[in-house]
Amino acid sequence: GQQLNQSPQSMFIQEGEDVSMNCTSSSIFNTWLWYKQDPGEGPVLLIALYKAGELTSNGRLTAQFGITRKDSFLNISASIPSDVGIYFCAGALSGGSNYKLTFGKGTLLTVNP
Amino acid sequence: GAVVSQHPSRVICKSGTSVKIECRSLDFQATTMFWYRQFPKKSLMLMATSNEGSKATYEQGVEKDKFLINHASLTLSTLTVTSAHPEDSSFYICSAKVYTGELFFGEGSRLTVL
Repeated sequence: GQQLNQSPQSMFIQEGEDVSMNCTSSSIFNTWLWYKQDPGEGPVLLIALYKAGELTSNGRLTAQFGITRKDSFLNISASIPSDVGIYFCAGALSGGSNYKLTFGKGTLLTVNP
Repeated sequence: GAVVSQHPSRVICKSGTSVKIECRSLDFQATTMFWYRQFPKKSLMLMATSNEGSKATYEQGVEKDKFLINHASLTLSTLTVTSAHPEDSSFYICSAKVYTGELFFGEGSRLTVL
């Protein structure tokens, strides 16, 4: 089946620094989604990408759908303590009634004040 | 974004009993919902796809008689963990897909089986 490699696994940064994480896939997707999960809660959708090459921002977050359709990155600028959490990428290849989201293993972000 | 609500958020039960978890789409209709299981510090593992008005589709290795899924309406799917055992203790999360392809998640349900 499809595999997603998400990196890095964890990051420790200082408040104010920029962060970048990425996901690569063994096969193509037609949708990339980025989520953030706080402890004990469900994932919250941050950014959704639908077209190869698409670059989308949501406040301090920016994500891009890779041209090859096999990768995506998420950047966080000027990090703040509340950015702490686990970030997951997810890719979907939907066709007709068959829809399945494949998740990366997550990036644990720690922000030191 | 769309709102998905899960209930209960936490449940503790005795071994051998059954537990039902509800997943509701509050402001949209969801013909398809998904149930995930998540172990500590791990990613989400898809258990099954819940289709309104038809049988759920289970992922390989997931016991359908153990994890009963019912999607009786366009806004409600339920997951029943039958004859629960301590190894069933986990964080269960549901999600629902909107027509644009985005998936919105519930808050999750922490199940502890004693």
